[in-house]
Amino acid sequence: QITLKESGPTLVKPTQTLTLTCTFSGFSLSNAGVGVGWFRQPPGKTLEWLALIQWDDDKRHSPSLSSRLTVTKDTSKNQVVLIMTNMDPVDTATYYCARALGKIHDQWGQGILVTVSS
Amino acid sequence: DIVMTQSPDSLAVSLGERATINCKSSQNILYNTNNKNYLAWYQQKPGQPPKLLLYWASIRESGVPDRFSGSGSATDFTLTISNLQAEDVAVYYCQQYYLAPYAFGQGTKLEIK
Repeated sequence: QITLKESGPTLVKPTQTLTLTCTFSGFSLSNAGVGVGWFRQPPGKTLEWLALIQWDDDKRHSPSLSSRLTVTKDTSKNQVVLIMTNMDPVDTATYYCARALGKIHDQWGQGILVTVSS
Repeated sequence: DIVMTQSPDSLAVSLGERATINCKSSQNILYNTNNKNYLAWYQQKPGQPPKLLLYWASIRESGVPDRFSGSGSATDFTLTISNLQAEDVAVYYCQQYYLAPYAFGQGTKLEIK
């Protein structure tokens, strides 16, 4: 059974840095073709892709956010970490991680609602 | 960036009838080398994460009922839900994974008439 779970703060202040961890089980990030992607969804809005890290440490970031985003993996811990700097109220959203087979995201975590407010 | 546009924004269909959702990409997402369309369809119910329904535009994910089908190529795609069931009430999204950023459509809200 494949599971993913996002963890981290649910409230951050403007200008702060957000660090989210995706802890997964049922697959390995050391297997060829496997990756973990990050997405977000502001309340009532559509989904936005943020980043993708692959088994070989190849990384892709949304160009509009690339200067603020860092994604890393710890294969031994089955974790992927997303760091987003300089948070703003417009970054308030539910953040999801998902397993990627190639670029197809087939299994998703439940998501974590992050609110940016002073 | 590739922009994905869905139509309609919302849709009400009677139980047992057919629902059709359209998705248009601003660029060709058919990769000629492997003849695959880099398009996925997701279903999202309130308070839940997206659920993958179809990938490569028409391949059903394991466990997805066969009343869900996908068609189209290059820039124009369709999700068809036949014999609509009450549990199909959700928001449906298309997503291209041809070129980063892997954009989603704005979503189509499906309700029962």
